[in-house]
Amino acid sequence: AQSVTQLDSQVPVFEEAPVELRCNYSSSVSVYLFWYVQYPNQGLQLLLKYLSGSTLVKGINGFEAEFNKSQTSFHLRKPSVHISDTAEYFCAVSESRRGYNKLIFGAGTRLAVHP
Amino acid sequence: ETGVTQTPRHLVMGMTNKKSLKCEQHLGHNAMYWYKQSAKKPLELMFVYNFKEQTENNSVPSRFSPECPNSSHLFLHLHTLQPEDSALYLCASSQDSKEHNEQFFGPGTRLTVL
Repeated sequence: AQSVTQLDSQVPVFEEAPVELRCNYSSSVSVYLFWYVQYPNQGLQLLLKYLSGSTLVKGINGFEAEFNKSQTSFHLRKPSVHISDTAEYFCAVSESRRGYNKLIFGAGTRLAVHP
Repeated sequence: ETGVTQTPRHLVMGMTNKKSLKCEQHLGHNAMYWYKQSAKKPLELMFVYNFKEQTENNSVPSRFSPECPNSSHLFLHLHTLQPEDSALYLCASSQDSKEHNEQFFGPGTRLTVL
């Protein structure tokens, strides 16, 4: 079974600083990776996804992630964060099942952006 | 607005009550999901429906009973819950094929069991 590890439960950062949220996965087959964001009192929203092709994936709100097969990583980055980026971020891997694709989530990383 | 709505947004119930959570998707998707989100734990997949047929029950206690009358609506019927069932319950939908499409999530129902 596949699994996802998010190495940092919390990441504090100052406004306009760069940030990297780390994600490692375990998979022996084709990999399909996602980053979701959850703002307070809301559901999850897709930031970006890697299905195939270019290993550098650009998403919404200025975020990007790089798929690294040799290191089994899919780290999320943003060069300059805003207060409004304060949220919980979830990395997930998709696994084929009968009739649907199952998302396996990491435990989440809480990003706290301070002024 | 993701196209997935959930009602109610907040629910407080006693252990002997019976209540239902409702989810509706306006995206024409063929798969719908219930997740449980508890503090400091990864999202737990509870149930999956594909074309109204339940395709996964992730060892969920029988006090949780899903219902999918059509591909746009999904319910979670609750009875005799325990305080540890207090959590955020998220509904999601997707258009599933051989493509690994994203899931669209609703805002969730915050459930408190007293």
